[in-house]
Amino acid sequence: NAGVTQTPKFRVLKTGQSMTLLCAQDMNHEYMYWYRQDPGMGLRLIHYSVGEGTTAKGEVPDGYNVSRLKKQNFLLGLESAAPSQTSVYFCASSQKRGMYEQYFGPGTRLTVT
Amino acid sequence: AQSVTQPDIHITVSEGASLELRCNYSYGATPYLFWYVQSPGQGLQLLLKYFSGDTLVQGIKGFEAEFKRSQSSFNLRKPSVHWSDAAEYFCAGQTDSWGKLQFGAGTQVVVTP
Repeated sequence: NAGVTQTPKFRVLKTGQSMTLLCAQDMNHEYMYWYRQDPGMGLRLIHYSVGEGTTAKGEVPDGYNVSRLKKQNFLLGLESAAPSQTSVYFCASSQKRGMYEQYFGPGTRLTVT
Repeated sequence: AQSVTQPDIHITVSEGASLELRCNYSYGATPYLFWYVQSPGQGLQLLLKYFSGDTLVQGIKGFEAEFKRSQSSFNLRKPSVHWSDAAEYFCAGQTDSWGKLQFGAGTQVVVTP
């Protein structure tokens, strides 16, 4: 049982390049989330999904797209990377809303030059 | 606006001394509240959570937190810190239907010999 895994762990992009971050969970969780972590700002929600085939915007969705084609995977895409998207990205999943905790992946450190 | 505030950005504590981390929330209704810990280069691990009932909540690694409705606070405590407790600590709140978490900015804890 690996929990929540994220691929890749590190990435450096040039401005304007695109990439996809992959999140996978093996706990059969319904809900999945993408956060970004920036110094002094805690974690902020980018997008989330409450089930296969569904996605919704979080607090800071601009510049990102997501897809949840399979229940166990949640992809975060950057179509045209900008330096402001330099951050650490965390994926999380939970069984259901409310009283169920979110389990976090180890993070992806992305630098956009 | 709904928010979670951690007033202390950085705390230094001696090994063996007690630790208290502050968390204040601002929500229309009582939120679900969580404390997470993040060790350097790692993801977030849940320390404890509060949903309802007893206002003193016990967590892992010897941590506890007290919910005080009158003060809109959920402070984290540990009677005697160990060097391994050096990490960043995040308080988070949740009230909406989809389990979205709002995080405080985090408190960095440094443990000195």
